[in-house]
Amino acid sequence: GAVVSQHPSWVICKSGTSVKIECRSLDFQATTMFWYRQFPKQSLMLMATSNEGSKATYEQGVEKDKFLINHASLTLSTLTVTSAHPEDSSFYICSALSGRASGEQFFGPGTRLTVL
Amino acid sequence: AQSVTQLDSQVPVFEEAPVELRCNYSSSVSVYLFWYVQYPNQGLQLLLKYLSGSTLVKGINGFEAEFNKSQTSFHLRKPSVHISDTAEYFCAVSSAAGNKLTFGGGTRVLVKP
Repeated sequence: GAVVSQHPSWVICKSGTSVKIECRSLDFQATTMFWYRQFPKQSLMLMATSNEGSKATYEQGVEKDKFLINHASLTLSTLTVTSAHPEDSSFYICSALSGRASGEQFFGPGTRLTVL
Repeated sequence: AQSVTQLDSQVPVFEEAPVELRCNYSSSVSVYLFWYVQYPNQGLQLLLKYLSGSTLVKGINGFEAEFNKSQTSFHLRKPSVHISDTAEYFCAVSSAAGNKLTFGGGTRVLVKP
């Protein structure tokens, strides 16, 4: 149980286009999901907290108009990178908060974005 | 604010030898502590967590960690590593269940035959 999927697993796009990444909790409902960004050989940096039915909460320094987050259902959150540029190339990982008392997060397998 | 420091960026170790990955944290409130493993081009898998109770926590794949409040540490250990343990390991902290995680910089473990 507690499986989180991401789609696509990798994507290559041209500079200036928009890319949507989906994060799904497959066997549980998640009112809260998190989006992280990871550069090569670096740690995960939290970008935003996504709450079902409300606006996402962005971390300082993250452009909310560039990284659009929508959490329209209890099992799906999407991250759209708008007008992507090469510097947006990165590994994007989502996690979903379980309903357990421990508040454990379950992580998706990640999406590698390459902007040409 | 919270922060996590993983003192070793890389740890080479021979197969069947023990390994210890160090993690120190700073926080003004009580914390929950986690260790995750990341294999290449994959997401994170939880190894173990400390929420409360016994300070010695046992996790999957033979890993264990000890919470030391006075030293604000949560070091990860395994008595005998395998080639398959080659991966990146992240220590993380949150201030409460369900809160956002703050990650350390990661420690890359390379197990040599």
